[in-house]
Amino acid sequence: QLQLQESGPGLVRPSETLSLTCTISGGSISNYYWSWIRQPAGKGLEWVGRISPSGIIIYNPSLKSRVTVSVDTSQNRFTLKLSSVTAADTAVYYCARQVSGTPFDSWGQGTLVTVSS
Amino acid sequence: EIVLTQSPDFQSVTPKEKVTITCRASQSVGSSLHWYQQKPDQSPKLLIKFASQSISGVPSRFSGSGSGTDFTLTINGLEAEDAAMYYCHQSSSLLTFGGGTKVEIK
Repeated sequence: QLQLQESGPGLVRPSETLSLTCTISGGSISNYYWSWIRQPAGKGLEWVGRISPSGIIIYNPSLKSRVTVSVDTSQNRFTLKLSSVTAADTAVYYCARQVSGTPFDSWGQGTLVTVSS
Repeated sequence: EIVLTQSPDFQSVTPKEKVTITCRASQSVGSSLHWYQQKPDQSPKLLIKFASQSISGVPSRFSGSGSGTDFTLTINGLEAEDAAMYYCHQSSSLLTFGGGTKVEIK
């Protein structure tokens, strides 16, 4: 059964870079689109960025200048880096899978990242 | 960027009642509109894909309709376990979500 697991520091200092990894088990990272989605406490879902099977990456325009998504197919995982973080970046971060143009059919459990000094 | 506007923001409903949630897109998304349910401390769960297509394992009381810019999620005969947040999502151009609708059981 496919499982997605987010991992990374739960606390990041303001102005530093948030780094998260999503590890896929029970399936291959190839042939699918992989996204990061975040959700501040008590608020809605915000899509952050996505990498395609061919390596094409697209970002939320509001975050584009600070976000980097990359993939390591040999390790069956992909990563998120968000630079110059502020308290507004505090959120639960999810990784999720889709086939192009389709909905997200698998989600990780989410990981809380708090930006605080 | 396509903006999705959900209404209402909040709905308090008696069990067995019908629930209707709407999602309006700022421009046409065709049928690339999907619905999710999210319960507290859980990841979102896909309920309906491509506006009206059912998902295996999702109760038949959940249904969707619409195309273009106006979409509806209907819960026919609300059950206590349906208390949750509901989000629409479009995959037509970039990816965006609606602001969510909280459904509470009276």
